[in-house]
Amino acid sequence: DAGVTQSPTHLIKTRGQQVTLRCSPKSGHDTVSWYQQALGQGPQFIFQYYEEEERQRGNFPDRFSGHQFPNYSSELNVNALLLGDSALYLCASSSQRDYEKLFFGSGTQLSVL
Amino acid sequence: AQSVTQLGSHVSVSEGALVLLRCNYSSSVPPYLFWYVQYPNQGLQLLLKYTSAATLVKGINGFEAEFKKSETSFHLTKPSAHMSDAAEYFCAVSGYGGNEKLTFGTGTRLTIIP
Repeated sequence: DAGVTQSPTHLIKTRGQQVTLRCSPKSGHDTVSWYQQALGQGPQFIFQYYEEEERQRGNFPDRFSGHQFPNYSSELNVNALLLGDSALYLCASSSQRDYEKLFFGSGTQLSVL
Repeated sequence: AQSVTQLGSHVSVSEGALVLLRCNYSSSVPPYLFWYVQYPNQGLQLLLKYTSAATLVKGINGFEAEFKKSETSFHLTKPSAHMSDAAEYFCAVSGYGGNEKLTFGTGTRLTIIP
């Protein structure tokens, strides 16, 4: 059983560009959350998707947007990249039946130059 | 608002010694508390969770944590450290109820001395 998969694993962009990160949840999971982990910090919650809608959102600007597809996979989009957006982006999935148990992917390392 | 504070960004212990990683929480509602471990170049793995049942929680790999409301603490312990325990450990809190976001601490890097 594949766990949470994220692509790409590494990405290099320049300031002002746009980026799309992808996540496939663990089999049987219907909820996807995205976290940003800056170097030396704990992950920070960006937003959560369930039933193709954004259900919760953290303290991130509108440059950060997302989408969930009918197969429960998800995308994170970041527009007008800033140097400070450089971080590890983690996707986590869960199910409504066992919502406290999050499974995390290995993340996408985004570098903005 | 909820938050966690992890005391000590770096902890070193000898192999076979007691591991103690400290976490204090702040929450206006009964909290759910978690410990996650992160190995290099990997995502986070759940070690254990407290969800208002037994205050002493046992997790994977021999780790356990005790919820102490009077001290607002949820410290992680392991009686005997193993080299494979070297990793980054994160304490996290969420609100009572379903599908609440996790708020993480800044992490503690555990080094095991041979």
